[in-house]
Order: sequence, then structure tokens, then C-alpha cells
Amino acid sequence: AQSVTQLGSHVSVSEGALVLLRCNYSSSVPPYLFWYVQYPNQGLQLLLKYTTGATLVKGINGFEAEFKKSETSFHLTKPSAHMSDAAEYFCAVSFGNEKLTFGTGTRLTIIP
Amino acid sequence: KAGVTQTPRYLIKTRGQQVTLSCSPISGHRSVSWYQQTPGQGLQFLFEYFSETQRNKGNFPGRFSGRQFSNSRSEMNVSTLELGDSALYLCASSPNNPQPLHFGNGTRLTVT
Repeated sequence: AQSVTQLGSHVSVSEGALVLLRCNYSSSVPPYLFWYVQYPNQGLQLLLKYTTGATLVKGINGFEAEFKKSETSFHLTKPSAHMSDAAEYFCAVSFGNEKLTFGTGTRLTIIP
Repeated sequence: KAGVTQTPRYLIKTRGQQVTLSCSPISGHRSVSWYQQTPGQGLQFLFEYFSETQRNKGNFPGRFSGRQFSNSRSEMNVSTLELGDSALYLCASSPNNPQPLHFGNGTRLTVT
């Protein structure tokens, strides 16, 4: 069965510092990978996706992620954190028409 | 294009009652998925409908049911409500898998 693990339920970074949110997946076939962000009292918003092709994926709000098959990872990064990045971030995986399976989420706090 | 619309936004029900939640997908999207989000369990997949047929189903009891209409609008029903059903219920639509899901802002259900 497909699964995804997010390391660190809470991450704090200083404003202007590098943001790194970790995601590892378990799969025997090539997955489709996604990162979503959720702000308080809202639904989830797609940040970026990997389906096929280039392994470095650029998303909205300056975020990017790299698909590394050898490490079964899809970590999310942003070079310089902004206060507006404070939110909860979810990594998700799916295969073909299968359901989207989410990780447990990482709450990102930005320190002024 | 209008986004995914969920109604109502907030709902308070009593144990034993039943509830129906509504979701209008993005125009042209034929797949509608439902998720339950709680602090303890995170995002749990309920079911997915595509062209009025249930295509995928999660591990929820039969009290949870759904349907999709010919215009792709979807409803989910929970019968005999329990306190543990208190959660944010999220609806998401997509043209088809593996396209990413587009989420609504959810319906927050409180069972007392």
C-alpha cells in the first residue's frame, strides 16, 4: 500500500531563513507526488505536483521540491521564509486512479 | 472559474441525528472526493465519485455514504452521528486522476 511520511510535525524557522520540509514515500511503482498548504479555517491549496518529467518542480509562492527516486523523497524547500508562509503543509501521494494519501502534516512557524 | 463550494460552512448536530453535506465542484470536473480531517487522525479518505459512480472508498463505517449527481455535484450523508464524527469535512474535485485535487473550504461539523 502507498504511504507517505512527513518528518517533523512542527518546524520553526526565522524569517529570511531556508525552509525545508521533509517527505518520504513508500511505493513499488512510480508515484504522483503533491504538496499542499492549509491556512487556518481554509481548505488545502496545491503548492506543486510531480507526475512525470523534470524531477525539480517549482510551485507557487517560491516553493520547490525535488523528486529523488533513489531516496524515495520529495522534500519541499523555499530559500527565504516569509511571515505569510506560516501554515500547515501536507505531502501527498497517489498512483493512477487511486486515492490521494496524505501525510500527517507539518506545521510551519516563522520567527520574526 | 468558481472554486469548489461546500455548504454549509458550519454545522452543529446532536448525537444520533443525521446530516447531509453538499459539494459543488469546479465546472467541468467529474471527480469528487471527500476527506475527513481531525487533529488526531489527520486527513482520512472517505470516498471518491466519478461520473455518478463510486470509484474509490476509504475505511469508514456504513454510516458514511455519498452520492454524485449528473451535474457532478455531490452530497455526503452521515447517519446516527457520534461524538467522534466531529471534524472538518473537505470536498475536492478534479477533471480526473491523476490531476491534482482542488479543495473547498470544508464543512466543520460539531456533534454534541
